[in-house]
Amino acid sequence: DIQLTQSPSFLSASVGDRVTITCRASQGISSYLAWYQQKPGKAPKLLIYAASTLQSGVPSRFSGSGSGTEFTLTISSLQPEDFATYYCQQVNSFPHLTFGGGTKVEIK
Amino acid sequence: QVQLVESGGGVVQPGRSLRVSCAASGFTFSTYPMHWVRQAPGKGLEWVALISYDGSTKYYADAVKGRFTISRDNSKNTLYLQMNSLRAEDTALYYCARWGSSGYHDHWGQGTLVTVSS
Repeated sequence: DIQLTQSPSFLSASVGDRVTITCRASQGISSYLAWYQQKPGKAPKLLIYAASTLQSGVPSRFSGSGSGTEFTLTISSLQPEDFATYYCQQVNSFPHLTFGGGTKVEIK
Repeated sequence: QVQLVESGGGVVQPGRSLRVSCAASGFTFSTYPMHWVRQAPGKGLEWVALISYDGSTKYYADAVKGRFTISRDNSKNTLYLQMNSLRAEDTALYYCARWGSSGYHDHWGQGTLVTVSS
């Protein structure tokens, strides 16, 4: 199975900060990676797919980059509604999909 | 708008069975593959199973293979997960998720909680 390692697992940031989350794959996955946002008590929400394509309706302050084994999710200016847990997901080994362990973004 | 509503969760003893459902609306259910994804309390996301749009192809995570069965009734716009021989480690919030044309989970339900405990 392809393992995804997210870092950091927790980060504390202020409104307006630029935030970067990293996801590393245990083997190359091309660009077959998505990012999801999950708020407490809510279902995950697709933010970015194919490593860098913004899902419809998602604010442009979110962006994704990377290919192969290293990927990043960047929030250019953190907003109050962005405090949540973020997960990466690989679909390269479809149908056996895997998720990263998550990164919790909290208010400093 | 797309809606996915899970139901059927509850408390069940180890070794027993439970079936959870996901009612879909707001899109042509019969044209989309569907998945189950679970989340243990306070933990991350784990893919469980996938079914093709017509129900002809099914895949399972190793952790549930041989115990869980995914199915769908396109006439009722409903997805199912039959869970047999349940274990404590199956305790989780079970989400149904649509596999969108982008090739990712573009819509999720709110989840149904399954607790396996004696």
